[in-house]
Amino acid sequence: GAGVSQSPRYKVAKRGQDVALRCDPISGHVSLFWYQQALGQGPEFLTYFQNEAQLDKSGLPSDRFFAERPEGSVSTLKIQRTQQEDSAVYLCASSLLTPNTEAFFGQGTRLTVV
Amino acid sequence: GENVEQHPSTLSVQEGDSAVIKCTYSDSASNYFPWYKQELGKGPQLIIDIRSNVGEKKDQRIAVTLNKTAKHFSLHITETQPEDSAVYFCAASKYNNNDMRFGAGTRLTVKP
Repeated sequence: GAGVSQSPRYKVAKRGQDVALRCDPISGHVSLFWYQQALGQGPEFLTYFQNEAQLDKSGLPSDRFFAERPEGSVSTLKIQRTQQEDSAVYLCASSLLTPNTEAFFGQGTRLTVV
Repeated sequence: GENVEQHPSTLSVQEGDSAVIKCTYSDSASNYFPWYKQELGKGPQLIIDIRSNVGEKKDQRIAVTLNKTAKHFSLHITETQPEDSAVYFCAASKYNNNDMRFGAGTRLTVKP
């Protein structure tokens, strides 16, 4: 596709439910990022992949959060036993490997935990 | 780690006026400073960026300045238009770009 695609756009989960959020990056983009954006705040870094390798997961808030990119393209962010504080927009971005290049963002998945 | 602070949090200007948004960062190793515009229901979109080897960059009505000594950078929008209304985020990252940190955002409203 022409841009970064995320699905679903909206997800409502009951507290304790597991969720999986999908990101399709721009074809050929080696770098992939996940961010969490709370209402009225800037995006907060969660994790970074270079191809299939997860090089940085320092931003994942707890061990309930898990991300993977097994074939170096599509990525999935999984949240286990969701809690109300997990409610946020989850943004995925991709970029070329070349340092300091533009990161293209998807529209995000708005997760609401009830 | 890097800490980016952005102000003001909200900014309202009349159409045609200029708007200035300022950011400071904490890590002197940061060398890439993008600005993103986020419209309601959309992901952030890059509008301009600057690298540490330059002090100023301009693209039509948008300009960014960087002061590495003081560790601050600013976004300037001239001749504002209603379609400039959005939330603007500054960010800072180091060479490998895998740890980009964002400011909290500025909600810009341009009144017609």
